[in-house]
Amino acid sequence: SQQGEEDPQALSIQEGENATMNCSYKTSINNLQWYRQNSGRGLVHLILIRSNEREKHSGRLRVTLDTSKKSSSLLITASRAADTASYFCATDTGRRALTFGSGTRLQVQP
Amino acid sequence: EAGVAQSPRYKIIEKRQSVAFWCNPISGHATLYWYQQILGQGPKLLIQFQNNGVVDDSQLPKDRFSAERLKGVDSTLKIQPAKLEDSAVYLCASSTPRGPAMGQFFGPGTRLTVL
Repeated sequence: SQQGEEDPQALSIQEGENATMNCSYKTSINNLQWYRQNSGRGLVHLILIRSNEREKHSGRLRVTLDTSKKSSSLLITASRAADTASYFCATDTGRRALTFGSGTRLQVQP
Repeated sequence: EAGVAQSPRYKIIEKRQSVAFWCNPISGHATLYWYQQILGQGPKLLIQFQNNGVVDDSQLPKDRFSAERLKGVDSTLKIQPAKLEDSAVYLCASSTPRGPAMGQFFGPGTRLTVL
């Protein structure tokens, strides 16, 4: 079963706009990770946020984590056509490697 | 640094046939994972190895799937016999305990089509 569920399932924006994706999960976690998948580069790790962290930045990426609500969000600022991909959240509970959500398909229109 | 290598990239077989996938992780990565990704879904863990020992195979359909990691490096995943619902991309990943912030490194995957 999927631990994480992303919302929305699909998102289409214009280049330069910001994209926000949300992830909800069910059980306590050690950390939560975001991955990007496109046909060119496969599945790539973007960022990891630990359960005791609330916000983390990496370049144009901003991740937040609310453990009380069991939710996380990924914000991509100033999006580019190259950001077109599927984005997955994955939870690490310490009991199993990673449990992935169903993903958000992001389309950035040039 | 070379990435995770997988072969073949594509495989088409008929149901009830057998198939095997190969994975070579990043050098020095002790942990190796096999995931199954069905179209439109996120990857689902099938099995996790730590060196050549199995850490978690609770989601591996053991009646038809098997995996091994001889000498703690390369790994093979086998399906025998295949069913239509096994059509998916099979992803291999590796990681090192020294770099949890780097997450898992994934190979390009093997796309299996069962007819």
